[in-house]
Formats: sequence, structure tokens, C-alpha cells
Amino acid sequence: DAKTTQPTSMDCAEGRAANLPCNHSTISGNEYVYWYRQIHSQGPQYIIHGLKNNETNEMASLIITEDRKSSTLILPHATLRDTAVYYCIVRVKGGFQKLVFGTGTRLLVSP
Amino acid sequence: DAGVIQSPRHEVTEMGQEVTLRCKPISGHDYLFWYRQTMMRGLELLIYFNNNVPIDDSGMPEDRFSAKMPNASFSTLKIQPSEPRDSAVYFCASSHNSGGAGNEQFFGPGTRLTVL
Repeated sequence: DAKTTQPTSMDCAEGRAANLPCNHSTISGNEYVYWYRQIHSQGPQYIIHGLKNNETNEMASLIITEDRKSSTLILPHATLRDTAVYYCIVRVKGGFQKLVFGTGTRLLVSP
Repeated sequence: DAGVIQSPRHEVTEMGQEVTLRCKPISGHDYLFWYRQTMMRGLELLIYFNNNVPIDDSGMPEDRFSAKMPNASFSTLKIQPSEPRDSAVYFCASSHNSGGAGNEQFFGPGTRLTVL
């Protein structure tokens, strides 16, 4: 699976958009980009995934660059409850379904 | 749906004792995963099952660790004998193989294990 690089931490004001970047320059054509988050003392939670098109759901939007070497997770109106560690993971379609969690980005949303 | 259920939520034991962690996956899910999370090593996959069969146990740290899935609704992770370095939060997750990439994993609340 391709390696990802994320900033260690980010801050965001409540109500503003949080844009979390992820670099995955070695991503293969059959690898998807997944985002999970982990709120303190809870298990990780799936957010969104995509292959090459931008995706949106009720939680967030995922913007993948045309060359697929990087992506951005967007939380359009961050709330205090969005404070968490966000993990960007790339993995093959189907396959053995392994998720390899890196260190992620610690997002702090402040009032 | 109650989600993935894990028990106990907290476990404190003494070194050398046997520890058994339990997991009930979401009904209908055919994949089950055991993860361990520590400050030093982050979140690590220990083992996963498909249709109750262990597929990959390469993450199991040593022979003291064993996992079973006797049926589709129950799995255990056992540590015998336990050591202080086993102290961690252990998560169970399950997923359903939809045949495509949409196989998100649903995590349980975790079991916080402390070995004294």
C-alpha cells in the first residue's frame, strides 16, 4: 500500500472550514484514498473514501488532485466535536482489506 | 444496530495472568479485525478473519497472543501470560465485503487493558 504524509497537527476556528491535506505521491492506479478519524477515547470512525473523483457525504468532502498524488479532506463548518486525529489511508480496491494507520493529523477546533 | 460490541471496557490484571477480550461484530459483517493502540506504536492491526477463518495474523506480536472466531457473532483475543508491555487499548472492528472499495470498517469502543 502507498505511503501517506500528513501534517502532525492543525488548528481551526469553530464554524470555519477545516482543510486537511494528505500527500500520497506513490499511489497506484487501483488504490483508493480513505479517511478515518479518531475522537479521544473512541474507536476510529470512517469518514469518506474516493478513487479519483471528488466525493461528498454528510460528514465531509474529499478533493483528489488530478494526478492523484494528494488529496484534501474538507470539514465545511468545523465544530468542537470535530476535534480528533484524522488518518489518511490509501489501499487497494477490495483485496485483503487491511488498513494501515499512520500518525495522522491532530485537528484542534477552538471556539 | 448496536454496532460492534466489546467487553470488558476496562481490564486491570497482574503480570502472568490470562486475559480474554471479547468482541461481537455487526450482524451480517463477514470480516472481523483486532487492533491494538499504544502511544508508542499507534494503531496496529493484529489479526483479521473472513467468514470466521483467520486470514492474516502477521501482526500478532508473539505466541502469547491468540485469537479465535468460533462463529459469525463472536470473537476472542487471548493473552497468556500477560505482561506489562501488553498494556494498550484493543479495538475490534468489522466490515462487510461489498465486492468493491466501499468496505468501511466499523470499530468498537475498545478495551483498555492495564497489566500491572
